[in-house]
Amino acid sequence: GNSVTQMEGPVTLSEEAFLTINCTYTATGYPSLFWYVQYPGEGLQLLLKATKADDKGSNKGFEATYRKETTSFHLEKGSVQVSDSAVYFCALTDGSFGNEKLTFGTGTRLTIIP
Amino acid sequence: NAGVTQTPKFRVLKTGQSMTLLCAQDMNHEYMYWYRQDPGMGLRLIHYSVGEGTTAKGEVPDGYNVSRLKKQNFLLGLESAAPSQTSVYFCASSYSFKGLALNNEQFFGPGTRLTVL
Repeated sequence: GNSVTQMEGPVTLSEEAFLTINCTYTATGYPSLFWYVQYPGEGLQLLLKATKADDKGSNKGFEATYRKETTSFHLEKGSVQVSDSAVYFCALTDGSFGNEKLTFGTGTRLTIIP
Repeated sequence: NAGVTQTPKFRVLKTGQSMTLLCAQDMNHEYMYWYRQDPGMGLRLIHYSVGEGTTAKGEVPDGYNVSRLKKQNFLLGLESAAPSQTSVYFCASSYSFKGLALNNEQFFGPGTRLTVL
């Protein structure tokens, strides 16, 4: 079955530090990959996505590249801000038509210290 | 647009009580989903619907029922609540093209925090 494994948290960084949150996956077919973010007290919202190998998703200074050879989709940001404090979820859909269900990782809590 | 809304925001139940969680979306989305979020386990799909009048089981459907009588609403019911159902429940919806929602963004509601004593 499909699964997503992401970096255990919590992660605490100083403002302007470089961020990497690791994500690897197992899936049948040709999955699409997503990063969702959950700010305190809110629902999840899409941060970025990539639908095929070597695609790079980017948004708000965050980037992630779909690496089929290493089955990875690591999230990076060059200089984090306090406002980036949130829980980040890696997720996938397995790419088969009629099956749009998301499989989520366990989430990584990120705290940025001023 | 309000997006995806959920009611109630918080609820405390006693074991054996029943309740219904309501999800509403104003984006004319075909697909709707119910998830539960538990510490250390991410989000798990309970039930989902690909259109008005249709429902299907997700990863953890036991103890829950759903109905999609109107396109904009998706109800999640607990007939006899158990402490194991203490969780945060999220509803989501997504757009579909020709009946398929492949790769489409899911829009989430703010969640309902349920405690079963």
